Amino acid sequence: AQSVTQLGSHVSVSEGALVLLRCNYSSSVPPYLFWYVQYPNQGLQLLLKYTTGATLVKGINGFEAEFKKSETSFHLTKPSAHMSDAAEYFCAVSKIQGAQKLVFGQGTRLTINP
Amino acid sequence: KAGVTQTPRYLIKTRGQQVTLSCSPISGHRSVSWYQQTPGQGLQFLFEYFSETQRNKGNFPGRFSGRQFSNSRSEMNVSTLELGDSALYLCASRDRDLNEQFFGPGTRLTVL
Repeated sequence: AQSVTQLGSHVSVSEGALVLLRCNYSSSVPPYLFWYVQYPNQGLQLLLKYTTGATLVKGINGFEAEFKKSETSFHLTKPSAHMSDAAEYFCAVSKIQGAQKLVFGQGTRLTINP
Repeated sequence: KAGVTQTPRYLIKTRGQQVTLSCSPISGHRSVSWYQQTPGQGLQFLFEYFSETQRNKGNFPGRFSGRQFSNSRSEMNVSTLELGDSALYLCASRDRDLNEQFFGPGTRLTVL
């Protein structure tokens, strides 16, 4: 079985500060890992994904994440927060074959302080 | 390409009624998945269809059902609605080559 734990349901940072959203996963098979962002009253938008290969993954809007197998982690970072980054972020895992069924973490609401 | 579309966007029903939600995937995508999002339970997988066949199913009661048509459009149905069915229902279509799911804007269902 697979599961995802996002540490911190709410994270608040100042504009221009580092953003760090934590995600740990559990998977009995090599996983695919994803970060999605959700703005109010909208669906989910893919920020980045890890499938195979390079463990440091760059995504849209300046976000990146590093897959650390030894720590079973896939933390999301952005060097400098922008007001437009305020949203809810979801980490998700799927089995390596096909990514048909995503298992999501509970989400982290990111607030940016001016 | 147009994105995933879901209709209706908002829906209000009363307990005991049934509801049908519709999802049109991105052109060329043959796999459609449905998820339920609630404040308490978060995002939970309902089911996935590929070429008109249900391939995966989440842990939901039989009141939740779905189908997929030959043009890949999908519908999900919830019968005998309960208050706890109030949620945002998200549909996603999958790009097989990219191993990515693209989500629609969702249908917000309120059960009174």
